[in-house]
Amino acid sequence: AQSVTQPDIHITVSEGASLELRCNYSYGATPYLFWYVQSPGQGLQLLLKYFSGDTLVQGIKGFEAEFKRSQSSFNLRKPSVHWSDAAEYFCAVGSGMDSSYKLIFGSGTRLLVRP
Amino acid sequence: DGGITQSPKYLFRKEGQNVTLSCEQNLNHDAMYWYRQDPGQGLRLIYYSQIVNDFQKGDIAEGYSVSREKKESFPLTVTSAQKNPTAFYLCASSIRDNQPQHFGDGTRLSIL
Repeated sequence: AQSVTQPDIHITVSEGASLELRCNYSYGATPYLFWYVQSPGQGLQLLLKYFSGDTLVQGIKGFEAEFKRSQSSFNLRKPSVHWSDAAEYFCAVGSGMDSSYKLIFGSGTRLLVRP
Repeated sequence: DGGITQSPKYLFRKEGQNVTLSCEQNLNHDAMYWYRQDPGQGLRLIYYSQIVNDFQKGDIAEGYSVSREKKESFPLTVTSAQKNPTAFYLCASSIRDNQPQHFGDGTRLSIL
């Protein structure tokens, strides 16, 4: 069965520091992978997606993610964090292969930014 | 601007009462979804619909019902059979199943 693991429940970084949020997935074929961000009391906003091709994908707000098939990972990175990046981040995997397609979400990583 | 509108933002349910959460989209998307979000558990799929007049159960459909009579609307009813309905409910839509989902701002349901 498909699954997504975000091993870090909370991460705290200083403003201006680099960031990496981890995501590991379990899926037999090539997955469709997504990162979403959620501010408190709001819906989810898509940061970036990977469907195929170049394994390093660029997203909005200066975020990027790298698909590593050998490690079943899709980690999210940002070179310099801003205070406005404080939010909860969700990794998700989709099958895209059958009529019962759906997204499986990880449990999220809450990012705190120190001034 | 195109988007997904969920209403109300806050909703309170009395014991034994059914309540309906509204979700409307003007993105002309075929697929629509309902998720439940609990603290520390991420999002869990309740129901989804790939086309008008058709929908499928997700992972936690018990105690919920939906309808899809119009392409732009996908209301969710939380029935009295759902014994733990307090949660944040999110509606989403996508052009097709395997495309990125766009989310509304959610409805927070609480029990009186």
